[in-house]
Amino acid sequence: AQSVTQLGSHVSVSEGALVLLRCNYSSSVPPYLFWYVQYPNQGLQLLLKYTSAATLVKGINGFEAEFKKSETSFHLTKPSAHMSDAAEYFCAVSSMDSSYKLIFGSGTRLLVRP
Amino acid sequence: NAGVTQTPKFQVLKTGQSMTLQCAQDMNHEYMSWYRQDPGMGLRLIHYSVGAGITDQGEVPNGYNVSRSTTEDFPLRLLSAAPSQTSVYFCASSYRGRYNEQFFGPGTRLTVL
Repeated sequence: AQSVTQLGSHVSVSEGALVLLRCNYSSSVPPYLFWYVQYPNQGLQLLLKYTSAATLVKGINGFEAEFKKSETSFHLTKPSAHMSDAAEYFCAVSSMDSSYKLIFGSGTRLLVRP
Repeated sequence: NAGVTQTPKFQVLKTGQSMTLQCAQDMNHEYMSWYRQDPGMGLRLIHYSVGAGITDQGEVPNGYNVSRSTTEDFPLRLLSAAPSQTSVYFCASSYRGRYNEQFFGPGTRLTVL
């Protein structure tokens, strides 16, 4: 069965500091992986996705993620945090069955300190 | 494009009441789905549809019904609301395929007393 684990329910960084949000996946087949962001009282918005074309994926708002098969990881990074990055971030893997469902991690709330 | 729209934004029900959460998309997506979001649990799939007239159960379908008579609309019905159904509900749509981005609506926050 596929699953996603996000380490750290809360991550706090200073404005201008590196953002690192961790995601590990479990999948018996090559996965399709996604990072979504949820701002307060809003729906989810796609940040980036991995579909096997390139291991380093660049997304919106300066975020990027690197797919590492040997580590079964897909960590999200941003070199310099901005106050507007404060939100909840979800890592997800696309299910192998016919439901096309996304299997989500439990989410990481990013706090940015001024 | 309006994208994915959901109504209502907020709803309070009493135990045993029924209601329908509305979802519509204007992107001609074949695939539509309903998730519920609970603290610390991410999002979990309730029901999904791969096209008009075709629906199937997700991982937490009990207490919910769906139908898909048109490509655009995918309503979620709560038959007899229970406090355990207090949650935030999101509708999503996409083109078919595991690699496609799913577009999410703004959500409906439901409280069952």
